[in-house]
Amino acid sequence: AQTVTQSQPEMSVQEAETVTLSCTYDTSESDYYLFWYKQPPSRQMILVIRQEAYKQQNATENRFSVNFQKAAKSFSLKISDSQLGDAAMYFCAYRSPLVSSGSARQLTFGSGTQLTVLP
Amino acid sequence: DVKVTQSSRYLVKRTGEKVFLECVQDMDHENMFWYRQDPGLGLRLIYFSYDVKMKEKGDIPEGYSVSREKKERFSLILESASTNQTSMYLCASSLRVRQAQNYNSPLHFGNGTRLTVT
Repeated sequence: AQTVTQSQPEMSVQEAETVTLSCTYDTSESDYYLFWYKQPPSRQMILVIRQEAYKQQNATENRFSVNFQKAAKSFSLKISDSQLGDAAMYFCAYRSPLVSSGSARQLTFGSGTQLTVLP
Repeated sequence: DVKVTQSSRYLVKRTGEKVFLECVQDMDHENMFWYRQDPGLGLRLIYFSYDVKMKEKGDIPEGYSVSREKKERFSLILESASTNQTSMYLCASSLRVRQAQNYNSPLHFGNGTRLTVT
C-alpha cells in the first residue's frame, strides 16, 4: 500500500515571502498522480496543484509550484509571494494509476501541514 | 462548478444512536467517497462507491456502512455511534477514471460534517 508522509505538522511564513512544504511518498508503481489540496478554516478542500509522474516538468499554478523528484519520491509545494489567504491546512495526496483497478479511484492523503501566514 | 453538499455542518449524537450523514453532488460524477479527518492522521478513506448500489471498503470501514441508491447521493451510516467516531467527515466526488483525460481528475469535496458523539 502506498503511504504519504508530511513531516512538518506546522509551518509559518511572513507575508510576501516564499515557503516550501514537504511531502514524500512510498510506492512501487512507476506511474501515478500527485496532488496538493488546501483546506482553509471554511473546511472546503480545494485543489491547489497536480502532477503526473510521467511528466518531468514540474507543475505550476500562478504562485504555486512543485518540486517533483521521482527518484527520491518527493513532491514539495512552493508558495511564492505568500498571502494571508494562503493560511490553511495543506494536504499532499497520491493516486494510483488506472491499472490498479479499485485503488485507482481513491486518494491516499498525508497527515497535513498547517500553514500560518504572518502579516 | 461542482457542488458537493453535506446535509449538516455540525452534529451531536449520543452513544448508541444510529446516525446518517448525507452527501449530494450535482455534477453527475460516478465516484463518491467518504473520508474521516482527524488531527495528525490526515484523511482516511472509509468507503467509496463507483456506481449506483456499488460500494467498496476503504481503509477504516469498521463501524460504518454506506448507501448509494441514486447517483447523486451517497450516505454514510453509523449503525451504533461510539465516542471514537467523533470526527470530521468529508464527502467527495469525482469522475470515473476510465478515459485518459480523467486520470488526474481531482476530488471535489463538501464542507464537512463535524460529528460529536457523547
